[in-house]
Amino acid sequence: NAGVTQTPKFRILKIGQSMTLQCTQDMNHNYMYWYRQDPGMGLKLIYYSVGAGITDKGEVPNGYNVSRSTTEDFPLRLELAAPSQTSVYFCASSSLDFPPNEQFFGPGTRLTVL
Amino acid sequence: GESVGLHLPTLSVQEGDNSIINCAYSNSASDYFIWYKQESGKGPQFIIDIRSNMDKRQGQRVTVLLNKTVKHLSLQIAATQPGDSAVYFCAEKDTDKLIFGTGTRLQVFP
Repeated sequence: NAGVTQTPKFRILKIGQSMTLQCTQDMNHNYMYWYRQDPGMGLKLIYYSVGAGITDKGEVPNGYNVSRSTTEDFPLRLELAAPSQTSVYFCASSSLDFPPNEQFFGPGTRLTVL
Repeated sequence: GESVGLHLPTLSVQEGDNSIINCAYSNSASDYFIWYKQESGKGPQFIIDIRSNMDKRQGQRVTVLLNKTVKHLSLQIAATQPGDSAVYFCAEKDTDKLIFGTGTRLQVFP
């Protein structure tokens, strides 16, 4: 199993541009999450999904959108990039069958907005 | 609101010594906690977890202690090695989500 994969690894955007961060997991996990991590800080939850077709806002959802059309994929969309969205973005997944909420993380996407 | 926090932002220990990383939580109803390790440039990696019906849980060189009376969680690393250098996060289960603390950076020097 590849686990949780994220693309791209790095990206530089100009203010106002849009992009989609991709996240795929091959563990058949029901739950998927998007976090952002600013330098020297902890993880802040952006959006999460408990299954295909269901998404919920986390702590910092403004400026982002998500969709969950399949169990495997959970893309994160930035419509109008702003410098405040410069961060490292982590996708994670977990299964109801595991010890509750042990989350498996992807390697991250480092995004810079100039 | 509820929060999970850490007492020490940076901890420096000598190789071979034991390390203790602390975490305070505020939701007394929390029933599950996890410690994660994050190495530079990587995503967080699960270390060990503990349910609220336990006081202590041991893994390989790591022990998690839970004191529900004072809402305190700690991670003990025995015989700290250079490979243990990383940022350590505690996390608290909140229904379908985890709430992460700010993190403690562990630095191991020879």
